Amino acid sequence: AQSVAQPEDQVNVAEGNPLTVKCTYSVSGNPYLFWYVQYPNRGLQFLLKYITGDNLVKGSYGFEAEFNKSQTSFHLKKPSALVSDSALYFCAVRDRSSYGQNFVFGPGTRLSVLP
Amino acid sequence: KAGVTQTPRYLIKTRGQQVTLSCSPISGHRSVSWYQQTPGQGLQFLFEYFSETQRNKGNFPGRFSGRQFSNSRSEMNVSTLELGDSALYLCASSLVPGLAEDTQYFGPGTRLTVL
Repeated sequence: AQSVAQPEDQVNVAEGNPLTVKCTYSVSGNPYLFWYVQYPNRGLQFLLKYITGDNLVKGSYGFEAEFNKSQTSFHLKKPSALVSDSALYFCAVRDRSSYGQNFVFGPGTRLSVLP
Repeated sequence: KAGVTQTPRYLIKTRGQQVTLSCSPISGHRSVSWYQQTPGQGLQFLFEYFSETQRNKGNFPGRFSGRQFSNSRSEMNVSTLELGDSALYLCASSLVPGLAEDTQYFGPGTRLTVL
């Protein structure tokens, strides 16, 4: 069975500082990993995904994520946080071998960037 | 290219009523998935449709149903509404159904309140 953990319900960071939102996963095979962001009263917006190749994935709005197979992690990072980055962030996983399987989402991490 | 659209954006119903939500996928996308988002349970998969056929179903009671039309637009229906059905219902579309690496793109959601 697939599962995703986001160990922090809330992350607070000062504007201009680097931010990290953590994600660990569990799949029986190899994973495809995704990050989405949700602003208030909005749907989820796709940020980036890891399929294969380079472990460092770059995405929208200056975000990047690092895939670490040995630690089964896919942490989201940004070198310099903006107040406008404050939102709810979701990590999601799909098993590569799981034809027809749906996404499994983590519980979400609320990011607050303080001015 | 227009994104995923969902109508209506907000709905208020009373217990025992039924409701129909609509989703139009991104042009060219033929797979539509539905999710329920609540503060307590997070994002939960409801079902996925492709070529007017339900391909995958989450763990929800039979009161939740859906369908897809030949133009890929999808509707979901909830009958005999319960207070616990109050949630944000999200629709997502993707290009290639069942392909694990394919990205799902989300609509803004329909906020359903059951009184």
